Amino acid sequence: DTGVSQDPRHKITKRGQNVTFRCDPISEHNRLYWYRQTLGQGPEFLTYFQNEAQLEKSRLLSDRFSAERPKGSFSTLEIQRTEQGDSAMYLCASSLAEQFFGPGTRLTVL
Amino acid sequence: AQKITQTQPGMFVQEKEAVTLDCTYDTSDPSYGLFWYKQPSSGEMIFLIYQGSYDQQNATEGRYSLNFQKARKSANLVISASQLGDSAMYFCAMREGYSTGANSKLTFGKGITLSVRP
Repeated sequence: DTGVSQDPRHKITKRGQNVTFRCDPISEHNRLYWYRQTLGQGPEFLTYFQNEAQLEKSRLLSDRFSAERPKGSFSTLEIQRTEQGDSAMYLCASSLAEQFFGPGTRLTVL
Repeated sequence: AQKITQTQPGMFVQEKEAVTLDCTYDTSDPSYGLFWYKQPSSGEMIFLIYQGSYDQQNATEGRYSLNFQKARKSANLVISASQLGDSAMYFCAMREGYSTGANSKLTFGKGITLSVRP
């Protein structure tokens, strides 16, 4: 499978816990994006990497959120001290031009 | 102001008929790209079609075509010969800036639910 993959697909956690998600982009894509999608809404941009450089972060990305893309390959998104409002689908996309999305990680914070 | 507006309520279409999903956008950037994505219940966003602001012709991809009316700032998706598998959420999105070095994030609308009836 040469598409974008994300792990895990589902995560249930208790409020206050830390969670980390992983995204593996399409191998030749140098750009990688994270979006968050809540129920009934379209995806909202969180952050974007070109190779290993994080070039833009949304205001939605509070201090509790951090993303990395070591070596310009896979990326991780960590949420510290999760809150119930963090419950959402977290989508990763990669591109050379058009963005191709992964299946998402659905986070539920209890 | 919203950059992408999708205001239609849930849409219904009979199998094999055509359907138009509306999208209007707002930008002051002369260079931009418009996209449509499909999101079935599984959650994955599937790229359907792209239209650049400088493209002279409307984009087409198989059964999908984009009715691009630049002066009206609309980019409606037309699905011809609807199939049961077309039932899904459809999102319109915009990327401002045209070159590969420009701001590449997508701004999405709220989406439209399409249900295809047998």
